[in-house]
Amino acid sequence: EVQLVESGGGLVQPGGSLRLSCAASGFTFSYYWMHWVRQAPGEGLEWVSRIRYDGGTTRYAHSVKGRFTISRDNAKNTLYLQMDSLRAEDTAIYYCATDLDWLLFDNWGQGTLVTVSS
Amino acid sequence: QSALTQPASVSGSLGQSITISCTGTSSDVGSTSHVSWYQQYPGKAPKLMIYEGSRRPSGVSDRFSGSKSGNTASLTISGLQAEDEADYYCCSYVTLSILFVFGSGTKVTV
Repeated sequence: EVQLVESGGGLVQPGGSLRLSCAASGFTFSYYWMHWVRQAPGEGLEWVSRIRYDGGTTRYAHSVKGRFTISRDNAKNTLYLQMDSLRAEDTAIYYCATDLDWLLFDNWGQGTLVTVSS
Repeated sequence: QSALTQPASVSGSLGQSITISCTGTSSDVGSTSHVSWYQQYPGKAPKLMIYEGSRRPSGVSDRFSGSKSGNTASLTISGLQAEDEADYYCCSYVTLSILFVFGSGTKVTV
């Protein structure tokens, strides 16, 4: 059974940084692309970033490009999202998701809440 | 990249069928087979219901079906049940930009 467990969320001031983690199990992590998707309170879903199975290719939404960095450690079966220069509009629940079947989000974690506020 | 357009809400009675539309452009929905649909209950993570426009993952009820025509994708729920009451989101891969765009979301009320 695929399991994804996010951690690292919390309260941070505008301009600050935070690193999210997503521990994966139940599948061969190093074989698959992975995503981060976020959801602001009371709002819809927004795709954030995507990383290739070997970490060799990354993609970002325009809203976070240049501020967020996605990475992975296949030896630890863990996905990361380094978030810098955080803004109030980055406040959201951040979900990690698998892409086992190509260009979709087939398994989701429970999410971790990031609040950017002074 | 603007969000795909979905109706804010759709309602139906038990046993009825409803259809949720997802309208994009020729740059997203109209130019890819990679359109997917997600169900989300309040306070819970989304769940994949349909992918590649019309394919159902293992374990998803066959009451859920998807289709696409031009720049519009659709999700149909037949034999509506109380447990179908949730938010539904479509998502399209945007080939030229190499990114993804979600729909605005539809609240289904039974």
